[in-house]
Amino acid sequence: SQTIHQWPATLVQPVGSPLSLECTVEGTSNPNLYWYRQAAGRGLQLLFYSVGIGQISSEVPQNLSASRPQDRQFILSSKKLLLSDSGFYLCAWSPGQGLYGYTFGSGTRLTVV
Amino acid sequence: AQSVAQPEDQVNVAEGNPLTVKCTYSVSGNPYLFWYVQYPNRGLQFLLKYITGDNLVKGSYGFEAEFNKSQTSFHLKKPSALVSDSALYFCAVRDNNFNKFYFGSGTKLNVKP
Repeated sequence: SQTIHQWPATLVQPVGSPLSLECTVEGTSNPNLYWYRQAAGRGLQLLFYSVGIGQISSEVPQNLSASRPQDRQFILSSKKLLLSDSGFYLCAWSPGQGLYGYTFGSGTRLTVV
Repeated sequence: AQSVAQPEDQVNVAEGNPLTVKCTYSVSGNPYLFWYVQYPNRGLQFLLKYITGDNLVKGSYGFEAEFNKSQTSFHLKKPSALVSDSALYFCAVRDNNFNKFYFGSGTKLNVKP
């Protein structure tokens, strides 16, 4: 069966520090991968998605970047965090073909101080 | 462009009563609609989806949703609410190129004993 792992679960980082959040999927190949941010416990904002290795689409220009160095690995990064980067970050995957829903990771609570 | 709207920020219902969480959609082409539930500090969990076929879709935990094309709605329902159903519920639409989901703003469901 397929599983998605996201870590760390919580993170407190000072303003101006770098960020690296990792997401991996097991049990499938060539998944579509997504990073969402949920601010104030509500709406979900799509940040990045990827349909293959090295293919990244950015939905919202901002302080963050994403990379997909391997088929089932998706990384969210920042060189210098801002206070406004605080939030709940969710990774998700879906099969590359077909009308399937997402499967979400358990999320990372990022607090920038 | 695809979008969904959840007009209710919060829904309160007594345990044992029926519940409805509303969702309306705007899509070009065929709508592919989903409902997800989120418990505090957790990722979203898939409840059900409508792709085609019967307008009444049954999903996890006794939930169902009714697709209404004329009203462009996809309301989530449950005949008898449980306190454990208290959570944040998201309606979502998958866009026609299959690579992205657009989520509603979420509805907080409070079930009181």
